[in-house]
Amino acid sequence: EVQLVESGGGLVQPGGSLRLSCAASGFTFSSYEMNWVRQAPGKGLEWVSYISSSGSTIYYADSVKGRFTISRDNAKNSLYLQMNSLRAEDTAVYYCARDLGQLHDYWGQGTLVTVSS
Amino acid sequence: SYVLTQPPSVSVAPGQTARITCGGNNIGSKSVHWYQQKPGQAPVLVVYDDSDRPSGIPERFSGSNSGNTATLTISRVEAGDEADYYCQVWDSSSDHPGYVFGTGTKVTVL
Repeated sequence: EVQLVESGGGLVQPGGSLRLSCAASGFTFSSYEMNWVRQAPGKGLEWVSYISSSGSTIYYADSVKGRFTISRDNAKNSLYLQMNSLRAEDTAVYYCARDLGQLHDYWGQGTLVTVSS
Repeated sequence: SYVLTQPPSVSVAPGQTARITCGGNNIGSKSVHWYQQKPGQAPVLVVYDDSDRPSGIPERFSGSNSGNTATLTISRVEAGDEADYYCQVWDSSSDHPGYVFGTGTKVTVL
């Protein structure tokens, strides 16, 4: 059974940093591209970042480019999102999602990030 | 950047048909995917590549895509179909490729 479990969310002050993790199981993690998607409270879905299976290709949404860094450790079956210079508008539930040919076929349950003083 | 526009809400009586549109410039040239999200839950893929269904998704869910509009159709609507629905495409048209989600549509079963 495919499982994606996010962790690392919490309360952080504006300008602070946070590192999210996504632990994958039930599939060959190293063969799949992965994504982070977020959802602000009461709002719609917003794609954040994409990473290829090897980590050699990375894309970011304009709203996070230069502040967020996506990475992966295929030996640990884990996906990461390093978030720096956080702003109030980054407050959201962050989901990791498996990529399957330009769509997201499995999602984690999400981790909440709150940016507030 | 590429924009996908959905109606904020659609209301439908049980047993009737709900149609949710997703508008985008020449969206007919892209593959469109649809996700269902119930309160407090992660999104679930219900239609992919315009009109295909993942295993486990009822045949009541169908999709089409042409011109500037993609449509998700839910036939014989049930109370359990009440949720938010999002369309999605991969936009490779700019020098910043990435995924784009629609604005979302809340389906209310009367």
